[in-house]
Amino acid sequence: NAGVTQTPKFQVLKTGQSMTLQCAQDMNHEYMSWYRQDPGMGLRLIHYSVGAGITDQGEVPNGYNVSRSTTEDFPLRLLSAAPSQTSVYFCASRTTSGNTGELFFGEGSRLTVL
Amino acid sequence: AQSVSQHNHHVILSEAASLELGCNYSYGGTVNLFWYVQYPGQHLQLLLKYFSGDPLVKGIKGFEAEFIKSKFSFNLRKPSVQWSDTAEYFCAVSPYSGYSTLTFGKGTMLLVSP
Repeated sequence: NAGVTQTPKFQVLKTGQSMTLQCAQDMNHEYMSWYRQDPGMGLRLIHYSVGAGITDQGEVPNGYNVSRSTTEDFPLRLLSAAPSQTSVYFCASRTTSGNTGELFFGEGSRLTVL
Repeated sequence: AQSVSQHNHHVILSEAASLELGCNYSYGGTVNLFWYVQYPGQHLQLLLKYFSGDPLVKGIKGFEAEFIKSKFSFNLRKPSVQWSDTAEYFCAVSPYSGYSTLTFGKGTMLLVSP
């Protein structure tokens, strides 16, 4: 059972480059989200989606784009990377059935922007 | 919007000492509450959760937490810590809905010395 799979695990970019962080889940979860984790800041929500074709902004959406064309996939795009986007990124998913709030996390993607 | 405050950024304990990590949240309605743990180099894992019912909830590895509604608190406790409990602990809150987002505190780094 793979759960939530993120790729790549590590990435180094130069300022201005673009890239996509991939996230896939095999649990048929409607809800998917992206967080960034920075020292002393906890996890901050970037974007989330409650189903295919539906996305919304979280606390820190600037500089990031998302799309949700399928239930399984929720890629995060950096269009023009900046050093401030150096962080560890976590994708997480859960069901929206009933009131189940437990999030299942991927292993994380460590991004460095030079 | 909801918010979470964790009282301590760093805690250092000796093995067998008792642990209590403070967490307070801000939200005007019914909430779901969580404690997640992140071991060094790993992703977040659920320790325990509170949805409703008994305000004292038990989680994995001997952890427990008490929800005190009047104080908007959800403190994490363990009677006797082990070296393997060294990790970062995050309190999180979400409104009572399958479609709500999860907001994390900034985390508490626990170091247990053998």
